[in-house]
Amino acid sequence: EPEVTQTPSHQVTQMGQEVILRCVPISNHLYFYWYRQILGQKVEFLVSFYNNEISEKSEIFDDQFSVERPDGSNFTLKIRSTKLEDSAMYFCASSAPGGGTGELFFGEGSRLTVL
Amino acid sequence: GESVGLHLPTLSVQEGDNSIINCAYSNSASDYFIWYKQESGKGPQFIIDIRSNMDKRQGQRVTVLLNKTVKHLSLQIAATQPGDSAVYFCAEAPPGGTALIFGKGTTLSVSS
Repeated sequence: EPEVTQTPSHQVTQMGQEVILRCVPISNHLYFYWYRQILGQKVEFLVSFYNNEISEKSEIFDDQFSVERPDGSNFTLKIRSTKLEDSAMYFCASSAPGGGTGELFFGEGSRLTVL
Repeated sequence: GESVGLHLPTLSVQEGDNSIINCAYSNSASDYFIWYKQESGKGPQFIIDIRSNMDKRQGQRVTVLLNKTVKHLSLQIAATQPGDSAVYFCAEAPPGGTALIFGKGTTLSVSS
């Protein structure tokens, strides 16, 4: 069964450092998303991406964040200068051609720890 | 925000019992709702969805009920099994957007 894959599974970084989280969405999907989940809390929307541009972003997704689809398979989330409060699980998701908010397939997440 | 009294952060049941997990959603204009299951250390996994033009939808062992009058969503799991133990989230899709808005999770614990 096709799946969304994410790397790294866990990254530890110092405050102020740049971090890039990588995702390979399901191959025929056209909508891509990043969500985050602070430990023990609910899943929060960060950004959606379609046709090589951001479709929608939340208040969390400020100028420190950026997304990119550098090639035909990868979808990345960059945090330019990490803060302690960026520590969370970051989930990538993708959805099929029919749906912007159709069934989302989530990856297993990348845990970011900012020290 | 969440309706007071509807959301339980934890639910403990015996194997074989039926489970009901409740959720209150915030946007009366939301037109699509999904239940996700999240096992420890994993990403959310789609369980079942429902559009706002329906009030009930059944899957395999799961049923979702939608009450738009009170902005309430519930997930019923029949014959709960230990493998159903997880955190369950409801999510709503406001119209015209691409974001899913997740509710607070309910941790379901199933004991044999």
